[in-house]
Amino acid sequence: AQKITQTQPGMFVQEKEAVTLDCTYDTSDPSYGLFWYKQPSSGEMIFLIYQGSYDQQNATEGRYSLNFQKARKSANLVISASQLGDSAMYFCAMRRIQGAQKLVFGQGTRLTINP
Amino acid sequence: GAVVSQHPSWVICKSGTSVKIECRSLDFQATTMFWYRQFPKQSLMLMATSNEGSKATYEQGVEKDKFLINHASLTLSTLTVTSAHPEDSSFYICSAPGLAGHEQYFGPGTRLTVT
Repeated sequence: AQKITQTQPGMFVQEKEAVTLDCTYDTSDPSYGLFWYKQPSSGEMIFLIYQGSYDQQNATEGRYSLNFQKARKSANLVISASQLGDSAMYFCAMRRIQGAQKLVFGQGTRLTINP
Repeated sequence: GAVVSQHPSWVICKSGTSVKIECRSLDFQATTMFWYRQFPKQSLMLMATSNEGSKATYEQGVEKDKFLINHASLTLSTLTVTSAHPEDSSFYICSAPGLAGHEQYFGPGTRLTVT
C-alpha cells in the first residue's frame, strides 16, 4: 500500500520568502511518481510539479522545485519568492508507474502568505 | 492542455433523492476516470475507478449500491449518489489520466449539499 504524510497542517510565511512544504511517503513499489497540487479556495486542483522515482535530478518548474530524497522517502516542495497568490492548500500525492494510475494524497498543508 | 469538465458545479438536493454528476473529457478519450470525495478541510479520498465498458472498481468502504458509476463512453463518466443523506454532502472531483506520461487532469469539482 502507498501512504503519503504531510505533517504541517498550516504554514505562515512572509511574502517574498521561500517556503518548504514537507512530504514523506511510503511504498513497496519499485517505481512510482510523486506530485504536488495546489488547491485554492475555488476547489480546482492545479498541478505544480512531478518527480519520477528514477529521475536523477530534482524537478523544477518555475518558482517550484521538488527536493527529492529517495533514501529518506521525502519529496518536499520548495516555493521560492512566495507571492500572495500562493496562499492555498497544497497536496502531495503519489501513484504507481505501472498498473493503476490512481493517486494517493496526503492530508494537505494550508499555506498562508502574509503581506 | 487537456480539459475535464464536471456538471453541475454545485447542487443542492433533499434527503432521500438521487443526484447525478457528470465528468467529461473534452478533447481526449479516457478509458479510465477516477472519482474522489473531499470533505471540508480534508484531503481527497479515492472512491472508485471508472472503467469504460466495464464495471467500476470501488475502494474499500465505499458502497457500490449507493454510489453508482457508469462509464458509457470514452469521454463520459457519471456518478449517481442514490438516496442521498446529509452526510453525503461533500466536494466530488473526477480526474482522468492523460494518454502519455504522468499527466492527470482534474475536473473543477461538484459541491453537493444534501438538506
